[in-house]
Amino acid sequence: KAGVTQTPRYLIKTRGQQVTLSCSPISGHRSVSWYQQTPGQGLQFLFEYFSETQRNKGNFPGRFSGRQFSNSRSEMNVSTLELGDSALYLCASSFRGQGGNEQYFGPGTRLTVT
Amino acid sequence: AQSVTQLDSQVPVFEEAPVELRCNYSSSVSVYLFWYVQYPNQGLQLLLKYLSGSTLVKGINGFEAEFNKSQTSFHLRKPSVHISDTAEYFCAVSDPAAGNKLTFGGGTRVLVKP
Repeated sequence: KAGVTQTPRYLIKTRGQQVTLSCSPISGHRSVSWYQQTPGQGLQFLFEYFSETQRNKGNFPGRFSGRQFSNSRSEMNVSTLELGDSALYLCASSFRGQGGNEQYFGPGTRLTVT
Repeated sequence: AQSVTQLDSQVPVFEEAPVELRCNYSSSVSVYLFWYVQYPNQGLQLLLKYLSGSTLVKGINGFEAEFNKSQTSFHLRKPSVHISDTAEYFCAVSDPAAGNKLTFGGGTRVLVKP
């Protein structure tokens, strides 16, 4: 079974631009969560989607948005990039939307904003 | 709101020696508890989780953790480490009513020396 895949793996953008990151969950998984990982703030929850509906949202500005498609693939978008958005963005998929289920993480997309 | 504190940011340990990584949490509700490992340039992998029942939880790669409700702790242990255990370890909690959202601690970097 293929794992969680994230594309692209690396990305360099300029301040003020926007970016879209993609996550393909494990086949059959309906929940996709996104996390931001930085040296200063650690791992922070962005949002979770289950069956195309956003279920939870973390404390991030509205510049961060996401969506989930009918095949469970998810995208997150960051508009008007700031230097502080440089981070490793991880997505995780799970079969169910209830807590306690094992979440499988992708390798991440490393975003650098210059 | 929930929070997780990992008391040690770095733990150096010699090969074949035991290691304990400390994790304390605070929450106004019952929580699920997790330990994840992150190897360089990779996503996170679940080591073990506590949902309910026995307070001693066994995970993969010889790791185990003990849930202590009175001390709100969930310390991770391994009796004998290998060079390959060099990685960063994250403790996380989730609210059973809040889907798959994880709140992570700051991480403990384990360096196993020969």
